[in-house]
Amino acid sequence: ELKVEQNPLFLSMQEGKNYTIYCNYSTTSDRLYWYRQDPGKSLESLFVLLSNGAVKQEGRLMASLDTKARLSTLHITAAVHDLSATYFCAVDVFGGTYKYIFGTGTRLKVLA
Amino acid sequence: NAGVTQTPKFRILKIGQSMTLQCTQDMNHNYMYWYRQDPGMGLKLIYYSVGAGITDKGEVPNGYNVSRSTTEDFPLRLELAAPSQTSVYFCASGTGRTGPSPLHFGNGTRLTVT
Repeated sequence: ELKVEQNPLFLSMQEGKNYTIYCNYSTTSDRLYWYRQDPGKSLESLFVLLSNGAVKQEGRLMASLDTKARLSTLHITAAVHDLSATYFCAVDVFGGTYKYIFGTGTRLKVLA
Repeated sequence: NAGVTQTPKFRILKIGQSMTLQCTQDMNHNYMYWYRQDPGMGLKLIYYSVGAGITDKGEVPNGYNVSRSTTEDFPLRLELAAPSQTSVYFCASGTGRTGPSPLHFGNGTRLTVT
């Protein structure tokens, strides 16, 4: 059974600091996704990583994928308050089923 | 485009009642998914569909049923509602040659069972 785990679950950080969120998954997949959810809102797509070694960057966020280690990272550079949200990684299992499983989520709070 | 539309936005049910959560997408997406999100928690996959007429169970299917008679619609049926089904329900859709790629989410249905 596919499991997707994130750590940390909660992250409180000061503005201007750097930090990394980790996403581990338990089965072979070349595709990993990152989403953002603001409190009381729906999810929006941030990054789509489709191959080993893929790296995507948008503003202060950078995501990478290592399919051999079954690990993705979301790196935050010089955090600002607007990045406060919950971040989810997700994996879809190619091979006929297309189950799309989400990680546990990381609740990020950036303190001014 | 409307994207993914869920109705209703809020609903309160009594224990044992039934209801259908509606989900419609106008993007001609093949893949559709139902998730539930309990307070402060992640998303759990209930059911999903890879096309009209094809559905499959996710991580937490018990107490729910789905159907997919058209590409656009993917309703979720709750039979005999229980307090454990109190949650926010999200419908999502996606498309792609070899998989659903990033999902487009609806705004959610907040369901309370008392």
